[in-house]
Amino acid sequence: DTEVTQTPKHLVMGMTNKKSLKCEQHMGHRAMYWYKQKAKKPPELMFVYSYEKLSINESVPSRFSPECPNSSLLNLHLHALQPEDSALYLCASSQSNTGRANHEQYFGPGTRLTVT
Amino acid sequence: GENVEQHPSTLSVQEGDSAVIKCTYSDSASNYFPWYKQELGKRPQLIIDIRSNVGEKKDQRIAVTLNKTAKHFSLHITETQPEDSAVYFCAASGPRPGSARQLTFGSGTQLTVLP
Repeated sequence: DTEVTQTPKHLVMGMTNKKSLKCEQHMGHRAMYWYKQKAKKPPELMFVYSYEKLSINESVPSRFSPECPNSSLLNLHLHALQPEDSALYLCASSQSNTGRANHEQYFGPGTRLTVT
Repeated sequence: GENVEQHPSTLSVQEGDSAVIKCTYSDSASNYFPWYKQELGKRPQLIIDIRSNVGEKKDQRIAVTLNKTAKHFSLHITETQPEDSAVYFCAASGPRPGSARQLTFGSGTQLTVLP
């Protein structure tokens, strides 16, 4: 299995809702990432997990809460979002992001989030 | 931190012509340079990458060159086809003291191949 999967594909939520995005990979990768991507812009890093521990939080507002239950799964919990949080949320994974080697990073298909 | 600049922001070529996209980076410690292709509504897809121990890498119609001294790298697509139309992102990564590696992306190039 050489794929990163994400659910749901689309999500519409109100500003008072709580929802979660899910990401899964079965490539044995030990680094997983959440990115936010606005139209016609590059992916913007939000969080990095390395060996199931949060290693990078790019000053993301607390209304976004990541979770890594095990080495194959990554969740992003959403609460009290704002309309400007509407974007494509991409998950990615790589073999590792520590040590001497650089490893390829593979993206999931993304969740298109609309906050109303 | 790392800063990656990408040019041009848009590029139109006739089918069969070549396309070149250029990126520069700021951190001399960066040693890995991937290129991603993103079609409308799809995920970024890794199409080629290069590590700092080589100057050029080719895969069929796609090639990437790296000049470490000048801190720039380029994507070359030959014999372009309409299905090459997409947004292309360059990125750079390298060891960061006390931190995990992360990709820094360029701003993207919208390539349009005209039939």
